[in-house]
Amino acid sequence: QVTLKESGPGMLQPSKTLSLTCSFSGFSLSTSGMVVSWIRQPSGKSLEWLAAIDWDGDKYYNPSLKSRLTVSKDTSNTQVFLKITSVDIADTATYYCARSPNDWYFDFWGPGTMVTVSS
Amino acid sequence: TGVTTQSPASLSFSLGETATMTCRASESVGSYLAWYQQKTGQVPRLLIHTASTRASGVPARFSGSGSGTDFTLTISSLESEDVAIYYCQPYKNWLTFGSGTKLEIK
Repeated sequence: QVTLKESGPGMLQPSKTLSLTCSFSGFSLSTSGMVVSWIRQPSGKSLEWLAAIDWDGDKYYNPSLKSRLTVSKDTSNTQVFLKITSVDIADTATYYCARSPNDWYFDFWGPGTMVTVSS
Repeated sequence: TGVTTQSPASLSFSLGETATMTCRASESVGSYLAWYQQKTGQVPRLLIHTASTRASGVPARFSGSGSGTDFTLTISSLESEDVAIYYCQPYKNWLTFGSGTKLEIK
């Protein structure tokens, strides 16, 4: 079955770089049309799509955050990574990774990893 | 980047009734719209994609309609387990989720 799971530092200080990992199974990111995205949700707020990488290695970014984001994947196509530079308190959120099988809706999500930015 | 607007912000209904909520895109997205359900403390769950196609395992009580800029999610025969926040998400040209509609049972 399809599963995704995020991992991250839990807490980090302002101005640092946040590194997140999405480990998945049950599907292949090398399958044509497959995309894995990062989405975040501050407590009590809506969802914000951040970035994505597709089966062909093409990368996509939220224009409002593009300068701070880097998405990548491993060569075995079982993990996707996200780096966010210069974090501040506003980056405190639960970060999800999610799969898009052929179009840009999200059919499977990981359980999320909570990240707190605090000094 | 387009704007996604959901209304109302909250709904309150009795068990067995029908709830309707709307999603408006600032420009046409054709049928490229999805709906998600998020219960408290849980991960968002895909309900509807392509405006009206139910995801696997979603009860027929959930139905989506609309195209272009105006979309509707209808939940009939409301059950207590339907208490959640419902988000819409266009996926043509932009990927901005709506602010959500909170469904409560009276």
